[in-house]
Amino acid sequence: GQQLNQSPQSMFIQEGEDVSMNCTSSSIFNTWLWYKQDPGEGPVLLIALYKAGELTSNGRLTAQFGITRKDSFLNISASIPSDVGIYFCAGRDYGQNFVFGPGTRLSVLP
Amino acid sequence: NAGVTQTPKFQVLKTGQSMTLQCAQDMNHEYMSWYRQDPGMGLRLIHYSVGAGITDQGEVPNGYNVSRSTTEDFPLRLLSAAPSQTSVYFCASSYLRTGSDGYTFGSGTRLTVV
Repeated sequence: GQQLNQSPQSMFIQEGEDVSMNCTSSSIFNTWLWYKQDPGEGPVLLIALYKAGELTSNGRLTAQFGITRKDSFLNISASIPSDVGIYFCAGRDYGQNFVFGPGTRLSVLP
Repeated sequence: NAGVTQTPKFQVLKTGQSMTLQCAQDMNHEYMSWYRQDPGMGLRLIHYSVGAGITDQGEVPNGYNVSRSTTEDFPLRLLSAAPSQTSVYFCASSYLRTGSDGYTFGSGTRLTVV
């Protein structure tokens, strides 16, 4: 089946630093999503991407749909303590269901 | 507007017991699904439904049953709980694919099978 890989698995950064993470797939996708999960809560949608090469921002977050359609990237600028959580990517081809990556756990040190 | 509501939030079962995890959404979403989340494995699809009366299996359906009698509700049944079913379960819903937006998730049910 389709699988997504996310890197890094976890990261510790200082408050104020920028963050970069990525998601790769062995399959081509037509939609990429990025979610954030806070402890004890369900994932919340951050950004949706629909076209290869698309670059979309949501506040301090910027995500890109890779040109190959097999990857996507998420950047967070000037991190703050509330950015702590697990970030998931999800991809979908022509079906109805999304495939989720294993997540990147972000910790922000004051 | 409550979104996706899951109950209970926590549950402990003994091996062999049965139970139903409840999921309800008030957004008139056609699509509903159940995922389980295990450490290091992300979210894995158990079952999904594209409308009332229609269900289908996902990646890890064994040991779980679902039904969709109404648009709003999508319960997940564990017929005979096993320790391997210890996990956090999330229900999600969305409109059928229109090219826009992803799933809305509930806050999860943490299940422990002893």
